[in-house]
Amino acid sequence: DTAVSQTPKYLVTQMGNDKSIKCEQNLGHDTMYWYKQDSKKFLKIMFSYNNKELIINETVPNRFSPKSPDKAHLNLHINSLELGDSAVYFCASSLGPLAGEQYFGPGTRLTVT
Amino acid sequence: SQQGEEDPQALSIQEGENATMNCSYKTSINNLQWYRQNSGRGLVHLILIRSNEREKHSGRLRVTLDTSKKSSSLLITASRAADTASYFCATVRIRSSDGLTFGKGTHLIIQP
Repeated sequence: DTAVSQTPKYLVTQMGNDKSIKCEQNLGHDTMYWYKQDSKKFLKIMFSYNNKELIINETVPNRFSPKSPDKAHLNLHINSLELGDSAVYFCASSLGPLAGEQYFGPGTRLTVT
Repeated sequence: SQQGEEDPQALSIQEGENATMNCSYKTSINNLQWYRQNSGRGLVHLILIRSNEREKHSGRLRVTLDTSKKSSSLLITASRAADTASYFCATVRIRSSDGLTFGKGTHLIIQP
């Protein structure tokens, strides 16, 4: 069984479009995250939710809006996509906000043309 | 600013040799973790070392932590072709729920 799953795996879209990436974890964890990995493989945290509440909101454009309908799901909606949004987006989860180990999803490769 | 810096950026060794990667960080930490990323895949947690620990082992992995130098090393012994991947260190700051701060990673290639 997949612990952390993301859909879609690949997303190719044009500038100006709005798109969403979905994430689900079946580990019973309380905390979920979104990370962005750029073309140089640098990973940076974007958001974190603990039990559906936002606890980390790094400096990202407000075109990015996370939504957590329940603690097993954390979706990422991106408005007005730009070329610079092209990256791999990873969802992750952990037992709690101060827990150590994080479990990562397989990633969503977003390409904006 | 970026917390962790790994070196080397890339490392190529023969199968069976040991591989050592280093990581430096800037702020006080609660723990430091190492992750592996195979090409086109998500990250897999390898090992976590807490700030009050100096060394930790897991199978062929050995991690050291020197908080006075703000540095850590990951040693993979008896490397295998399947160890080919990118390796990232990530830190959790002390008294912080900021999540993981990653370094740039070391790309390890094991030559058969």
